Amino acid sequence: EADIYQTPRYLVIGTGKKITLECSQTMGHDKMYWYQQDPGMELHLIHYSYGVNSTEKGDLSSESTVSRIRTEHFPLTLESARPSHTSQYLCASKRESYEQYFGPGTRLTVT
Amino acid sequence: GQQVMQIPQYQHVQEGEDFTTYCNSSTTLSNIQWYKQRPGGHPVFLIQLVKSGEVKKQKRLTFQFGEAKKNSSLHITATQTTDVGTYFCAGPGQSNYQLIWGAGTKLIIKP
Repeated sequence: EADIYQTPRYLVIGTGKKITLECSQTMGHDKMYWYQQDPGMELHLIHYSYGVNSTEKGDLSSESTVSRIRTEHFPLTLESARPSHTSQYLCASKRESYEQYFGPGTRLTVT
Repeated sequence: GQQVMQIPQYQHVQEGEDFTTYCNSSTTLSNIQWYKQRPGGHPVFLIQLVKSGEVKKQKRLTFQFGEAKKNSSLHITATQTTDVGTYFCAGPGQSNYQLIWGAGTKLIIKP
């Protein structure tokens, strides 16, 4: 099993709050990704990073930001949460042309 | 833009029946990957196909990559309850660091 961690696993917050979802991996992978997914549905790429100080927006930027100051850490921040942000957020990492390893996900509910 | 279409969206089967999901890409793929996501879980890598016409087997699962490297299929023989979940195909995007994901096929075992 891959070593990629996400915290918190579950989060319920009110509209307008700022939140940061944490993702860390201990595999030394350069490439990291954030996806948004409603349960069992399609994966939507929000952000990705090729390495330290490199970040790009995906197809669904979802009014969020990311940073990549260290190889192992790739946090996702929502500046002002809205009910439409209610979803599961999955972090993944990979090296070169190999498969993506996913974390367990954060289930976010915005009330 | 590049797309990966996956059908069907759902497939209901009796336990013991076979299951097949199909992926079609709008462009030629250098490789295709397959992932399984159990209910409430995260996607887990199953296999990568690289060669034109390649066929790989994992126990009751058979994966095929088309001759033109634009389509692929996953066939499960004699489904079991442990097979329940959503199966995703994914191919490399333009940057090769991203994956273009199919929408997934949900395997549901009829009670």
